[in-house]
Amino acid sequence: KQEVTQIPAALSVPEGENLVLNCSFTDSAIYNLQWFRQDPGKGLTSLLLIQSSQREQTSGRLNASLDKSSGRSTLYIAASQPGDSATYLCAVNGAGNMLTFGGGTRLMVKP
Amino acid sequence: NAGVMQNPRHLVRRRGQEARLRCSPMKGHSHVYWYRQLPEEGLKFMVYLQKENIIDESGMPKERFSAEFPKEGPSILRIQQVVRGDSAAYFCASSPLAGGQFSYEQYFGPGTRLTVT
Repeated sequence: KQEVTQIPAALSVPEGENLVLNCSFTDSAIYNLQWFRQDPGKGLTSLLLIQSSQREQTSGRLNASLDKSSGRSTLYIAASQPGDSATYLCAVNGAGNMLTFGGGTRLMVKP
Repeated sequence: NAGVMQNPRHLVRRRGQEARLRCSPMKGHSHVYWYRQLPEEGLKFMVYLQKENIIDESGMPKERFSAEFPKEGPSILRIQQVVRGDSAAYFCASSPLAGGQFSYEQYFGPGTRLTVT
């Protein structure tokens, strides 16, 4: 059974810092991995999708890497801003095409 | 191109009533997934449907919960005789195709927040 863990569970940083969110998964047989953002009381916004054959994806200030063999992904956020404050979710898509989510990292960026 | 639509956005039901949650996938998407987010917990897969077919319902509670995706119209998640523990956010996602080595990105709706009083 696939299990996804995100570390840290919560993170508070001053504006402008570069930061790294970590995601690990137990079963490396995945099709892809998605990073999402969720604002309080809102839905999920897809940030980046990495196919299993890819090593990384970039979008603006966000960069996600994937090491399938070791079961790890990182989301790098450059020059953080208060508007980045949200919960970041990692989800892996494996057999059956269902997403297995991690518990999320709650990020607070202070002005 | 409208995104995934869910309604209602908020639903209040008394214990014992029925809740019907609707999901309209993105245009051209024929695969629908339902996920549940209980308070202070992560998102958990419930069911995966294609038009007129349930592909995987391994995450659905065995009783009181059912889902359908008819040939015409939205996908429906139905909860009969709701209890307080059903209070949660229910999210629907859709994708255009699934299979082979590559599975397509899942696009999420805004969710329905169910409160059982």
